[in-house]
Formats: sequence, structure tokens, C-alpha cells
Amino acid sequence: GAVVSQHPSWVICKSGTSVKIECRSLDFQATTMFWYRQFPKQSLMLMATSNEGSKATYEQGVEKDKFLINHASLTLSTLTVTSAHPEDSSFYICSARPPGPFYEQYFGPGTRLTVT
Amino acid sequence: QKEVEQNSGPLSVPEGAIASLNCTYSDRVSQSFFWYRQYSGKSPELIMSIYSNGDKEDGRFTAQLNKASQYVSLLIRDSQPSDSATYLCAARENAGNMLTFGGGTRLMVKP
Repeated sequence: GAVVSQHPSWVICKSGTSVKIECRSLDFQATTMFWYRQFPKQSLMLMATSNEGSKATYEQGVEKDKFLINHASLTLSTLTVTSAHPEDSSFYICSARPPGPFYEQYFGPGTRLTVT
Repeated sequence: QKEVEQNSGPLSVPEGAIASLNCTYSDRVSQSFFWYRQYSGKSPELIMSIYSNGDKEDGRFTAQLNKASQYVSLLIRDSQPSDSATYLCAARENAGNMLTFGGGTRLMVKP
């Protein structure tokens, strides 16, 4: 299957700082990548859809100035959490969609963010 | 009605039994369907996809799609304790390339 990596796997930062998370598709070119957030014992929440070379599309209620997404190449998308606060602590997971007609998504291993 | 609905469980089955996981969906999502497995603390892993009516088998897993009744199911034969996880049903929206996920069903396979 398609492989998606994410870095870092976990990060602890102080309130007010920014954190960047990288998502890479290792063996395919992903025209579309997705960013999700998941709180404990809850389902996935889509934050934004990212297309290579264009601005991300954010879901309702997600602050685009706080969660900066850059999809600079067909294999790399980044999510920057700016001025992080404790309520931003969560499990952030990216996924990537390979070319083709079937729309399946392959997930990265996730990044656990803790803001102190 | 939510676009994709699942019983949250937990669904408890004995080792070796067949686990049956069900998912219903609305008219807004009626294209491709996917089953993901998510272990606690991990990210989802794609285990099955199904696009047309009928059954699709892959090893111990069988996905079933019934578009007339708007449900999709996943059968796990010879369930193992290692199958204990949350199973997420996902469907592609009619317009666009996003997937809509159900809330997941927690499966517990007891030795």
C-alpha cells in the first residue's frame, strides 16, 4: 500500500509558540492531502484539504490564520500551529490521496501535540 | 441523519467468531466506500474498499455493499484478539474528493 510519513511523531511546546508538522507521501505523488485532528475517544475531524500549488480549503470553524497549511510539492504538505495554546493539544493526522479514480486516503502515523 | 452512521459499540465477540460491523449512509455520500481500522493511539489504516454492489473478499475480511438499502458492512472471519480496534466506515461525497467518516465501532475480540 501507499506510504505516508509524518514528522514529528510527538511534540511538546510551550503556550504561545508555533509548531510545524510535516506530511510526506513516500511512494506516490499526492495531488491532494488532508489534515485531521482527533481528540481522545472521538472521531476524526477534518480540518482542511490541501491541493498542491494552491491555497488550502478549511472546514467551517477551523481558523486558517492559526492553522497554516502549505502544500509546496506533490509529496509534501505542512501544518503549522501558530501561537499554540493548551486547547490545541490533540492528535494531528495527515492523509494523502494517490492519483486515480477511487479517492482512497492513506494516513500518516500522526503527531501528538501537547501544549503546556 | 448523519451522512455516515455507525453503532459505537463496543461489539464483543469471542475469538474465532465472525464479527459483523455495519454502516449506513445518506444520499449525499453514495460513491466509493472504505473501511479503516484504528488501534488505540494510532492513525487509521485502510483495510478494505468497495465501489459496487455485492461482496468483496480479502483474506479474512469481506466488505458488502447494498446501495438500494444504503448500507455497507464489514465481516471479519475467525476473529483474533489482534483485531480488537475501532473500525471506521468512510464514504466519498458525491461532489468533491473528501471522505466522510462515521464515528467508528469499537470491536473487542475476547480470547
